[in-house]
Amino acid sequence: ELKVEQNPLFLSMQEGKNYTIYCNYSTTSDRLYWYRQDPGKSLESLFVLLSNGAVKQEGRLMASLDTKARLSTLHITAAVHDLSATYFCAGVFNAGGTSYGKLTFGQGTILTVHP
Amino acid sequence: EPEVTQTPSHQVTQMGQEVILRCVPISNHLYFYWYRQILGQKVEFLVSFYNNEISEKSEIFDDQFSVERPDGSNFTLKIRSTKLEDSAMYFCASRRTGYQPQHFGDGTRLSIL
Repeated sequence: ELKVEQNPLFLSMQEGKNYTIYCNYSTTSDRLYWYRQDPGKSLESLFVLLSNGAVKQEGRLMASLDTKARLSTLHITAAVHDLSATYFCAGVFNAGGTSYGKLTFGQGTILTVHP
Repeated sequence: EPEVTQTPSHQVTQMGQEVILRCVPISNHLYFYWYRQILGQKVEFLVSFYNNEISEKSEIFDDQFSVERPDGSNFTLKIRSTKLEDSAMYFCASRRTGYQPQHFGDGTRLSIL
């Protein structure tokens, strides 16, 4: 069974600084997703990472995947207040059979960006 | 952009009562899901639905839970006899196919008294 762990769970950053959120998973994952959740809101898809070495960037966020290390990272560059949210990584595990895309989520990282 | 819509946004129910949570997935999507998130905790998978049947379910999805897609648009989650521990935010999600991400609705906050 796939287990997904994120760290840190809480991240307080100053505007303009850089930081990285780490997502480790326990077994082979077909693919890795990053989602953003604002308080009381739904989950918004940020990135889909499909293969080893995949790197995706959108604005100040960049996600990468290392399948050998079973690690994905979400790097924040020059943080701004609008990035304050909870970030989840989620994997899909195909146990050799048909995968219907069940997402296994990490615990989430609560990011707060201060002026 | 097409959205997943869920109703109601908030449901308050007495313990032991039945509730039905409703979802309208994105129209050309093929895979449908329910997840729940207890306050302050991570999102947990409940059930997936494909080709008009349950494709996978978690340990949480016991005999008290059921899902239906009664017509071409709605996707419902029923809890037959609610318990206090069923209080959570319930998210519906849908996905077209392949590796595309799941699109989530805004959720239904279920409060069991």
